[in-house]
Amino acid sequence: DVKVTQSSRYLVKRTGEKVFLECVQDMDHENMFWYRQDPGLGLRLIYFSYDVKMKEKGDIPEGYSVSREKKERFSLILESASTNQTSMYLCASGYTEQFFGPGTRLTVL
Amino acid sequence: QKEVEQDPGPLSVPEGAIVSLNCTYSNSAFQYFMWYRQYSRKGPELLMYTYSSGNKEDGRFTAQVDKSSKYISLFIRDSQPSDSATYLCAINNSGNTPLVFGKGTRLSVIA
Repeated sequence: DVKVTQSSRYLVKRTGEKVFLECVQDMDHENMFWYRQDPGLGLRLIYFSYDVKMKEKGDIPEGYSVSREKKERFSLILESASTNQTSMYLCASGYTEQFFGPGTRLTVL
Repeated sequence: QKEVEQDPGPLSVPEGAIVSLNCTYSNSAFQYFMWYRQYSRKGPELLMYTYSSGNKEDGRFTAQVDKSSKYISLFIRDSQPSDSATYLCAINNSGNTPLVFGKGTRLSVIA
């Protein structure tokens, strides 16, 4: 059974803080993805990675960076959190089919 | 024109009804078609996966792809209150391209 886990279910941070969101998958997938999901806007791709140390920008990369040091782990970094980054963050892994983690609901005050 | 269009609903049906959820897409190169179910405050879970045209059935769920019309459907038979969720269609043309998602249709099945 594919498992994608995310480090936190709920997170509250202050404006200007550096925020790390971690994602781990146990299916040896090469491809991993970070999305944010907002009401009315659907899922939007932030960054993705097809291999260790590889990253590609998605549709909305501004204000975010990523790190992929190991195949199973893909981290999303908010360099300086802002209130407009309050959202549900979803990690996924897979090839043609993607499997999602439970999500992290981030609130930036 | 957006790559994938999906009616956001909400759609409300009585228990036992047949539900039809649909998406249209614009790029004829798309070959892989998926439906995800997302319960409130949870991550999406893969429900159905279809390659190219045709039908695929899994229990009460049937996924249908019509590539000539660029139209995909998910049918739910004998709908249950536990089917109440947001359903997202997702499409791509190869494993090395990101999925393109519809915005999701919110479904409520009333007991």
